[in-house]
Amino acid sequence: GQQVMQIPQYQHVQEGEDFTTYCNSSTTLSNIQWYKQRPGGHPVFLIQLVKSGEVKKQKRLTFQFGEAKKNSSLHITATQTTDVGTYFCAGPSGGSYIPTFGRGTSLIVHP
Amino acid sequence: DTEVTQTPKHLVMGMTNKKSLKCEQHMGHRAMYWYKQKAKKPPELMFVYSYEKLSINESVPSRFSPECPNSSLLNLHLHALQPEDSALYLCASSQVSRGPGEKLFFGSGTQLSVL
Repeated sequence: GQQVMQIPQYQHVQEGEDFTTYCNSSTTLSNIQWYKQRPGGHPVFLIQLVKSGEVKKQKRLTFQFGEAKKNSSLHITATQTTDVGTYFCAGPSGGSYIPTFGRGTSLIVHP
Repeated sequence: DTEVTQTPKHLVMGMTNKKSLKCEQHMGHRAMYWYKQKAKKPPELMFVYSYEKLSINESVPSRFSPECPNSSLLNLHLHALQPEDSALYLCASSQVSRGPGEKLFFGSGTQLSVL
């Protein structure tokens, strides 16, 4: 089935640096979701993007959906140690409404 | 904090044991899910119940048997598991919305070890 490809797999940053993770699909997506999973925790829904070119912000987090609805990104400005975790994008697979998760990007923030 | 409650949090079982994982939600959601997550991997869908009926089984081996007694409860019965079945088992729920995607609420998971 359709999958979203996510890069990078890991990202080490110094506290205060910015961070970006990218998701790409070979086909048009009806929507894309982002989840965060803290170490030892469970995935927590962050946001859903639906419209072409959509940009949404949550404090230091900026989410974008590409014009062709085939790619998305999550950008964190001035990372903090509380941002540590794995960020997953998730897109619908085939005709299903159920999100299929990308492989995730693990963010490690060095104080 | 999660509004989806899973028990137990940890489980160790032998290959001949029978055990059950339990999940409960009181958000009025009508879809419930079981996911399996291995370390450093994304969650993988196992089963979906929609309006208490099994709607998706992702070719899961029969040693995993789901059950949805009512709209708030979801069980996963385990029997004759293999060591490679050791993983974090996540329950999730969602509204069955008319929107383009289902927003999933996850429980804290059951960390299962099969010896």
